[in-house]
Amino acid sequence: GQNIDQPTEMTATEGAIVQINCTYQTSGFNGLFWYQQHAGEAPTFLSYNVLDGLEEKGRFSSFLSRSKGYSYLLLKELQMKDSASYLCAVPIYNQGGKLIFGQGTELSVKP
Amino acid sequence: EPEVTQTPSHQVTQMGQEVILRCVPISNHLYFYWYRQILGQKVEFLVSFYNNEISEKSEIFDDQFSVERPDGSNFTLKIRSTKLEDSAMYFCASIEQANQPQHFGDGTRLSIL
Repeated sequence: GQNIDQPTEMTATEGAIVQINCTYQTSGFNGLFWYQQHAGEAPTFLSYNVLDGLEEKGRFSSFLSRSKGYSYLLLKELQMKDSASYLCAVPIYNQGGKLIFGQGTELSVKP
Repeated sequence: EPEVTQTPSHQVTQMGQEVILRCVPISNHLYFYWYRQILGQKVEFLVSFYNNEISEKSEIFDDQFSVERPDGSNFTLKIRSTKLEDSAMYFCASIEQANQPQHFGDGTRLSIL
């Protein structure tokens, strides 16, 4: 089966750096996605990691360790608009490509 | 940038009634998905669709649910006899090929009374 774990909520200060962790257990691995979801809105794509290491994209970076079943999303220079839920998701390509989502980490950025 | 569009944005229906949620995926995409998100809970996979047939469905997607691609552009989700527990946000998503990020529509908020 598949299982994805993330912390339920985190709080950070504007201008700071925050790291949101995700651990996964899947039968087979085809990469890991991070999505951002503001309240009442659709998930929007942030990053995709399929190989070990760090992928940097502006203020956001994502890291993957396949041997540890672990990923994190790093947000730098936090802004108030970064307050949102951050979703870790794993695709299952031999099951139609469906995404299995973690429960999401609700990030609150305080002034 | 092309988008996945969903209509209606909000649907209020009496329990037991049928609802049809509509989606227009991005035009050159080949794989289509429906997900739902009950308020305060995680996004859950319902069904995937490729080459005019269902490729995978979850336990949630029982006989009350069906999907259709009636005209080559729309992708619909039908719930035949709605229940209170069907109240949720329903998201449509599509991709052109495997290992690409899924693009989500803005969702339909379904409220069952």
